[in-house]
Amino acid sequence: DTAVSQTPKYLVTQMGNDKSIKCEQNLGHDTMYWYKQDSKKFLKIMFSYNNKELIINETVPNRFSPKSPDKAHLNLHINSLELGDSAVYFCASSQDVRGGASYNEQFFGPGTRLTVL
Amino acid sequence: KQEVTQIPAALSVPEGENLVLNCSFTDSAIYNLQWFRQDPGKGLTSLLLIQSSQREQTSGRLNASLDKSSGRSTLYIAASQPGDSATYLCVATGGGNKLTFGTGTQLKVEL
Repeated sequence: DTAVSQTPKYLVTQMGNDKSIKCEQNLGHDTMYWYKQDSKKFLKIMFSYNNKELIINETVPNRFSPKSPDKAHLNLHINSLELGDSAVYFCASSQDVRGGASYNEQFFGPGTRLTVL
Repeated sequence: KQEVTQIPAALSVPEGENLVLNCSFTDSAIYNLQWFRQDPGKGLTSLLLIQSSQREQTSGRLNASLDKSSGRSTLYIAASQPGDSATYLCVATGGGNKLTFGTGTQLKVEL
């Protein structure tokens, strides 16, 4: 059973298109995250949602819009794709957003490699 | 703003050697410090998590230490094997459960 799953695994698309990446977790966690790993392999947080509410929104273009239909899903929709959006996107989840001994370990999905041509 | 730096950026060692990967972070107000492994083209695997109140964690041939006051963590790998070849990421957890990733150390263990 996959704890955090992402679809698709690979996504190749043309500039200007709109695409979505889906993320689902079956761990019963309250908090989900999206990270971007750029061409230099540097990982950086984009968003986090706790129980369907936005908690963290880093400086991300508003072409990126996370959507959380329920606490088990956090989808990432990207409008008007640009070449610089090419990256690997990771979804993660944690039991809670608070700090503390057992609440905050994050579990990562396998990643989605997005290539914009 | 938290910044996490890892040294060295790349490391190549012969099989069987013990090695140390270094990590430094600028903001000591962290909840925990994690070490992840990333294999080429693959996802992230959590290796060790050290809570802010702890000094070290061990798992098999891996030992990670944490010194919050100096803003440092080390990952010690004993008796390295070719299967240990990967990129190792140091990650600091701050408020809001926000992870700040280090720059990574790319390790190659040669036969």
